[in-house]
Amino acid sequence: KAGVTQTPRYLIKTRGQQVTLSCSPISGHRSVSWYQQTPGQGLQFLFEYFSETQRNKGNFPGRFSGRQFSNSRSEMNVSTLELGDSALYLCASSSYPWEQETQYFGPGTRLLVL
Amino acid sequence: AQSVTQPDIHITVSEGASLELRCNYSYGATPYLFWYVQSPGQGLQLLLKYFSGDTLVQGIKGFEAEFKRSQSSFNLRKPSVHWSDAAEYFCAVGAERYNNNDMRFGAGTRLTVKP
Repeated sequence: KAGVTQTPRYLIKTRGQQVTLSCSPISGHRSVSWYQQTPGQGLQFLFEYFSETQRNKGNFPGRFSGRQFSNSRSEMNVSTLELGDSALYLCASSSYPWEQETQYFGPGTRLLVL
Repeated sequence: AQSVTQPDIHITVSEGASLELRCNYSYGATPYLFWYVQSPGQGLQLLLKYFSGDTLVQGIKGFEAEFKRSQSSFNLRKPSVHWSDAAEYFCAVGAERYNNNDMRFGAGTRLTVKP
């Protein structure tokens, strides 16, 4: 079975732009979670989707948004990029929400904001 | 809100030596506890998790962890470290089921393995 796929793997943007990151979960998985990893703040939970519905959202500003499609693929969008948004963005999938099933992580998308 | 503390930022051990990585959590109810490993340029891989039951949990790659409620700890151990274990290790705590499912991660412990 193919693992979690994230595209693109690397991205460079400038302040004020917006960006969309994509995550394809493992086949059959319906839950997708997003995390931000930075040297200063470490790993922080962004949001979780299950069957196209956002179940939970972490403590991030409204510039961060996401969605999940009927095929369970998920996208996250960051509008009006700031330098501090430079990070590794990780996506994780599981059959059901994480508290019931093991999450499998993708390799991440590394975003650099200049 | 729950929180996780990994007191050791960096640990160096010799290959073949035993390993213990510390993790302390703060949470009012029974937490859901995880250990993940991250190799450079990679995503996270789950080593083991504790939801309930036996407080000694066996994971992959020869790792185990023990949940100690009285000490609010969930330390990760391995009896004999291999060079391939060099990576960053993260302890995480999850909130109660069906209620505010927010995972919190520790800052991580970087493990270096000496030949």
